[in-house]
Amino acid sequence: DAGVIQSPRHEVTEMGQEVTLRCKPISGHDYLFWYRQTMMRGLELLIYFNNNVPIDDSGMPEDRFSAKMPNASFSTLKIQPSEPRDSAVYFCASSPGHEAFFGQGTRLTVV
Amino acid sequence: KQEVTQIPAALSVPEGENLVLNCSFTDSAIYNLQWFRQDPGKGLTSLLLIQSSQREQTSGRLNASLDKSSGRSTLYIAASQPGDSATYLCAVTGNQFYFGTGTSLTVIP
Repeated sequence: DAGVIQSPRHEVTEMGQEVTLRCKPISGHDYLFWYRQTMMRGLELLIYFNNNVPIDDSGMPEDRFSAKMPNASFSTLKIQPSEPRDSAVYFCASSPGHEAFFGQGTRLTVV
Repeated sequence: KQEVTQIPAALSVPEGENLVLNCSFTDSAIYNLQWFRQDPGKGLTSLLLIQSSQREQTSGRLNASLDKSSGRSTLYIAASQPGDSATYLCAVTGNQFYFGTGTSLTVIP
């Protein structure tokens, strides 16, 4: 398996624009996690899914953030409208149970 | 809520030294503990996974131990090399993964 695949690797957008981050988990993994990493706050869990169903979205900062998992092989994290404070590295991770496998991340810069 | 702490936040050692990184957690009801390495601008690479029933795991120059009762894990790196320079994070698994803030390691040639 190629591992967890995220796209794009880098995204630069203007404030107010919509941003969509994509993730393809490892086949057969039942869990999918979205994290945000910044220097100030470290790794923060935004939301996680089990069998495509959102289980805990308490980490989603506000209504501007939304995540979907329409099928077992694809998930999106959308920010609308984006703000400069959303600039961070966003990681997707998948898990078969109690071991996490991370993608390479998407570095988002909102100017 | 599970709290995970890593000490020290940063560590600088000369090449060849053995070193220990520490990870502590507040709730001993965990499934696994996982150690990761993160290079600048990269994702997290899993180094070692210790299941809750295990006491330690070894991979090459790395050895990780787990003491659930005291809420502690250590990552031992033997004969450190400049290529070991990175940030090391530990994560404990309950209903989700709880991460520490990491230890930034610099190995000086």
